[in-house]
Amino acid sequence: AQSVSQHNHHVILSEAASLELGCNYSYGGTVNLFWYVQYPGQHLQLLLKYFSGDPLVKGIKGFEAEFIKSKFSFNLRKPSVQWSDTAEYFCATSGYSSASKIIFGSGTRLSIRP
Amino acid sequence: EAEVAQSPRYKITEKSQAVAFWCDPISGHATLYWYRQILGQGPELLVQFQDESVVDDSQLPKDRFSAERLKGVDSTLKIQPAELGDSAMYLCASSLRLADTDTQYFGPGTRLTVL
Repeated sequence: AQSVSQHNHHVILSEAASLELGCNYSYGGTVNLFWYVQYPGQHLQLLLKYFSGDPLVKGIKGFEAEFIKSKFSFNLRKPSVQWSDTAEYFCATSGYSSASKIIFGSGTRLSIRP
Repeated sequence: EAEVAQSPRYKITEKSQAVAFWCDPISGHATLYWYRQILGQGPELLVQFQDESVVDDSQLPKDRFSAERLKGVDSTLKIQPAELGDSAMYLCASSLRLADTDTQYFGPGTRLTVL
């Protein structure tokens, strides 16, 4: 069965600091991987996704994630965070079929000090 | 920009009462999802519809939860009777087609508190 682990429950950074949020998935087959973000008071929205091809995926708002198959990881990165990046971030995975349901991790709350 | 609508936004009820949540997906979206998000956890799929048909309800506690999408447009999720452990955010999402699981648009959610 698919599963996703996010080990950082709450991360606090200062503005301009670099960000890396960890995500590990557990599934033996081909997977699709996602990062979703939920800003305070807003809807859950897709940040970026990986299906195949280049393991370095670029998303919106300067975020990127790298798929490392040997480590079963899909960490989210941003070189310089802003106060507006304060949000909850969810890593998620689904099976290879585009109709496979999405399994979400428990989320990481990111707080940025101005 | 089209959005998924949900109501009510907040609901407080006592245990053993019945509650119902409503979702109106983006116009033209054939696939509709209901998720439950317990505080401190990620969303968990409860039920998935393709038009009016249930595609996946394997995680829906069928003894107390029910969901319907009679005309293949809007949907209702019901809990009867509500239990303390049902306190959570209930999210609705929609996608254009069943094959577009990766492109889901989420609504604002209904926060349920059971006392």
